[in-house]
Formats: sequence, structure tokens, C-alpha cells
Amino acid sequence: EPEVTQTPSHQVTQMGQEVILRCVPISNHLYFYWYRQILGQKVEFLVSFYNNEISEKSEIFDDQFSVERPDGSNFTLKIRSTKLEDSAMYFCASSGGRGNTDTQYFGPGTRLTVL
Amino acid sequence: AQRVTQPEKLLSVFKGAPVELKCNYSYSGSPELFWYVQYSRQRLQLLLRHISRESIKGFTADLNKGETSFHLKKPFAQEEDSAMYYCALSPRFGNEKLTFGTGTRLTIIP
Repeated sequence: EPEVTQTPSHQVTQMGQEVILRCVPISNHLYFYWYRQILGQKVEFLVSFYNNEISEKSEIFDDQFSVERPDGSNFTLKIRSTKLEDSAMYFCASSGGRGNTDTQYFGPGTRLTVL
Repeated sequence: AQRVTQPEKLLSVFKGAPVELKCNYSYSGSPELFWYVQYSRQRLQLLLRHISRESIKGFTADLNKGETSFHLKKPFAQEEDSAMYYCALSPRFGNEKLTFGTGTRLTIIP
């Protein structure tokens, strides 16, 4: 069964550095999402992406964040200048394949640690 | 604003006993409700959604609009049910953002 994949599984970075988190959604899906989960807290929506543009974003998704689908397979989340409070688990999800399924399928997550 | 509340962070149940994981929501429209499950060292995966009205792994959930609840139930718990369970809400049908509750860690005692 096809799965969403994410790389790396764990990223450690210094405060102020840029990070790029990578996701490969399920190949025939059309909608892509990023969520994050700070340790001990709930999973929070960051952004959704459809037809090569952001369809919705949360208050968390400020100017420090950006998303891109640079080619037909990857979907990336960039944090320009990381802060300590960006430390979290970041989940990618995709939905909207053939058969009109809107179930969101999640990747295994990338644990980002900002020092 | 939409919100999902799961009042129990931890729930322990003996094997063979009934399970009920509570979920209440707040939303002004007609949302779609989901239960996602995360087994140890695995990814979040959909367990069930209210529009399907199906039973998955013996679990069912009924949307109660009057009480704004979507509790997850299973009549007889099994050890493999031990996992983290998240209730989630989507404002409309179809490819919209999910709002999650804080999750309930269910432990089945052998």
C-alpha cells in the first residue's frame, strides 16, 4: 500500500538556522498538508496546499515558514530562521486521490530539535 | 472557532472489558468527525469517520449533534487496542484541515 514518506526522521539545528523538511506524498494525491505536534501538546494544523498554492494556513504559519512543491513528487516545509519554540514533531499528510478519497494519510513525522 | 476536547489523557481498561473514549467538539456548522489512532512507533492512521458509519476493529462511534459528542466505543477490549487515540474535526467534507484533540492514551491490562 502506498505511504507518505518524510525525511529526515530527526533534524537537529541551531537557533537561527534554516531547515527544510521533506515529504513525498502518495503519488496520485492532490492535497497536501503540514501539521506539527509540540511535545505533550496536540497535533496542530500549519498549512494546506492544492494546485500549487496555499489553500489555507494557520496563525502559526507566519513569514518564517514556507512550502513548496518543487517537482512532481516532493513537498517541502522550510523554516527560515528557527526558534527554540519550533522544536516539535512535524507531520506531512496528503489526500484527494482517485476515487475521490478525502482521507488524510500521514507520514511518520520529522522530529525537529532546535538548540 | 472549532475545538475538540478529549477529557481523558490516560485510560486503562482490562482485557475483555468495554472501552469508551470520550470526544466532544465545538463548531457552529456541520463538521465531519474522525478518530485517528497511533500505535507504538507507527504513524497516525485513520480508524473511522462518522460518515462511513462502519465498525473498524470492533470500534464504533456515533455522532451526537445534540451533545456535540463523538465517543469511541468497543464492547470487548483487546491487548492490541493499546495505542494513542485522537479525535479530529474537519469543518466540511472533503480535503479540509483537521483540528485534533489532545489525545487519549489507552492501555489494555492483560
